[in-house]
Amino acid sequence: EVVLTQSPGTLSLSPGERATLSCRASQVVSSSHLAWYQQKPGQAPRLLIYGASSRATGIPDRFSGSGSGTDFTLTISRLEPEDFAVYYCQQYGTSPNSFGQGTKLEIK
Amino acid sequence: QVQLVQSGAEVKKPGASVKVSCKASGYTFTSYYIHWVRQAPGQGLEWMGIIYPGGGSTHYAQKFQGRVTMTRDTSTSTVYMEMSSLRSEDTAVYYCARLNFNSGGYYYDPWGQGTLVTVSS
Repeated sequence: EVVLTQSPGTLSLSPGERATLSCRASQVVSSSHLAWYQQKPGQAPRLLIYGASSRATGIPDRFSGSGSGTDFTLTISRLEPEDFAVYYCQQYGTSPNSFGQGTKLEIK
Repeated sequence: QVQLVQSGAEVKKPGASVKVSCKASGYTFTSYYIHWVRQAPGQGLEWMGIIYPGGGSTHYAQKFQGRVTMTRDTSTSTVYMEMSSLRSEDTAVYYCARLNFNSGGYYYDPWGQGTLVTVSS
């Protein structure tokens, strides 16, 4: 089983700042099998990034993904008030599919 | 538009079963895998299993083997997730999600709105 470890657990930043979220895998994950989701309270997860670096339709360009192998990063260049939420990485390639435990991005 | 609409909240007693539905619309139902993911209160996302509506084949996470059954009804474009022998730890929001694949990779989109299942005596 591929374990995804996200860091930090909680990130406290102000609007306008840059956010860098990390996702580390316990074994190599193909870039095409790595996605990022945003979840707000009471809502279903929303796709942000797939294939490690491709933005989903309608996702602002302040969101970007990078990485390969076992280390992946989600970057939000300039935080907007609506970006404060929980973010999950997910791998599909190795069964069982798995999610990271999440990074909570909170307003400082 | 492509969407998945799930059935409403359920309250069940320990030991009972629950069946959650996920109705698809806006695309060819039999061409895309549907996954089920659950989220306990205040916790992260947990993958449960997958069903291919085209042929009905399924694959479950080992943790749920023997307790979960996923089925589909092609006449109504609906998939179902049934869980038996419920216990309090199964209290969670259950999501269905469509698996997509393109040249960029694999991903879940869209997701259903979620169904809260509460297990309580």
